[in-house]
Amino acid sequence: DGGITQSPKYLFRKEGQNVTLSCEQNLNHDAMYWYRQDPGQGLRLIYYSQIVNDFQKGDIAEGYSVSREKKESFPLTVTSAQKNPTAFYLCASSKQRNTEAFFGQGTRLTVV
Amino acid sequence: GQQLNQSPQSMFIQEGEDVSMNCTSSSIFNTWLWYKQDPGEGPVLLIALYKAGELTSNGRLTAQFGITRKDSFLNISASIPSDVGIYFCAGRRLTGGGNKLTFGTGTQLKVEL
Repeated sequence: DGGITQSPKYLFRKEGQNVTLSCEQNLNHDAMYWYRQDPGQGLRLIYYSQIVNDFQKGDIAEGYSVSREKKESFPLTVTSAQKNPTAFYLCASSKQRNTEAFFGQGTRLTVV
Repeated sequence: GQQLNQSPQSMFIQEGEDVSMNCTSSSIFNTWLWYKQDPGEGPVLLIALYKAGELTSNGRLTAQFGITRKDSFLNISASIPSDVGIYFCAGRRLTGGGNKLTFGTGTQLKVEL
């Protein structure tokens, strides 16, 4: 079945360590996005990519990095520079830049 | 970054009641999307709107793209327990948004049996 897969569902890391969240889609979508969700808040855009080997910063990119080497994959690295990394991270994709976005099931990252 | 104003923030209603929520912005939008999120899951797309004045239904759900292009409404008729969750609006600004989606802060819906 086509869809967006995020892994793992839950992730624990020690403070100061980098951690990479996986996002894979088999929908043949061109655009992919990473959002962060904190309790009681909406989704805030971290990074997005419209095409392979190209990506743009969103509203809260500091402390994060991404790569887009393949159309299907858009991994997010939460670096030690991110001051408050504990959050629910959501990956999404869309066919083109101005069409509906579909979401994965999310990864809950806890940094202790 | 901008977030859309979504209201109400939460609602506690009786099963069978109709529900209304809305989303407003100071900017003009060319796309409005409505999502539902269950706890610990990703948002699921409910309805997409692309034209001012457009009214679209999906089962018991109806959404409208406001004439001013600065707002959108979602109505749920005859609510049932599985309607519980958080509803988010999202939109794309006509200019200056870079085609990025901006999300509302969410409306939490609780349904009493």
